[in-house]
Amino acid sequence: GAGVSQSPSNKVTEKGKDVELRCDPISGHTALYWYRQSLGQGLEFLIYFQGNSAPDKSGLPSDRFSAERTGGSVSTLTIQRTQQEDSAVYLCASSPIAYNSPLHFGNGTRLTVT
Amino acid sequence: EDQVTQSPEALRLQEGESSSLNCSYTVSGLRGLFWYRQDPGKGPEFLFTLYSAGEEKEKERLKATLTKKESFLHITAPKPEDSATYLCAVLHAGNMLTFGGGTRLMVKP
Repeated sequence: GAGVSQSPSNKVTEKGKDVELRCDPISGHTALYWYRQSLGQGLEFLIYFQGNSAPDKSGLPSDRFSAERTGGSVSTLTIQRTQQEDSAVYLCASSPIAYNSPLHFGNGTRLTVT
Repeated sequence: EDQVTQSPEALRLQEGESSSLNCSYTVSGLRGLFWYRQDPGKGPEFLFTLYSAGEEKEKERLKATLTKKESFLHITAPKPEDSATYLCAVLHAGNMLTFGGGTRLMVKP
């Protein structure tokens, strides 16, 4: 079946502009995660959605970052007033149930802020 | 503070030269440890889950083991196609998943 799909695969934006990154999880997966991976770094947790529960936003680095998940499926990560330090690969992952199920990752969106 | 540390950061092997990657952790209440493989430009691909000390999992040339403080990913007779970054992630109390920094493996023919 189809895996986790992310779009766009690459995004170049000017400093100060807003960007939206999209994630289509695997059908039927109730848990959805966003991670950030900077060059040569490990994965940094951003936000986690589980079903209809309130999302865990504890990893969002600033109030310029927000995410929503519509209808328990597609998710959008929005970064407002982008800064150069936001440049990274943004990875989305989903899993069938919470926590101890392995995550299935998309191939990420590479964001470059100039 | 919960920490996951992978070593070495980079490893160069000749084809056929077996070795091990290490993932050490200091977390409260381990609930599971995951190994992933990541190729350049791709998302991490799931390899193994280990839940308790003493557990082992195998897949082709890879074998993962778990103790109370660390996990090893053993690579037997590696091939160039095994070249990738290997990530471990620890699920701990509070249902937090923390990733290590990864080990970049390069296998030369």
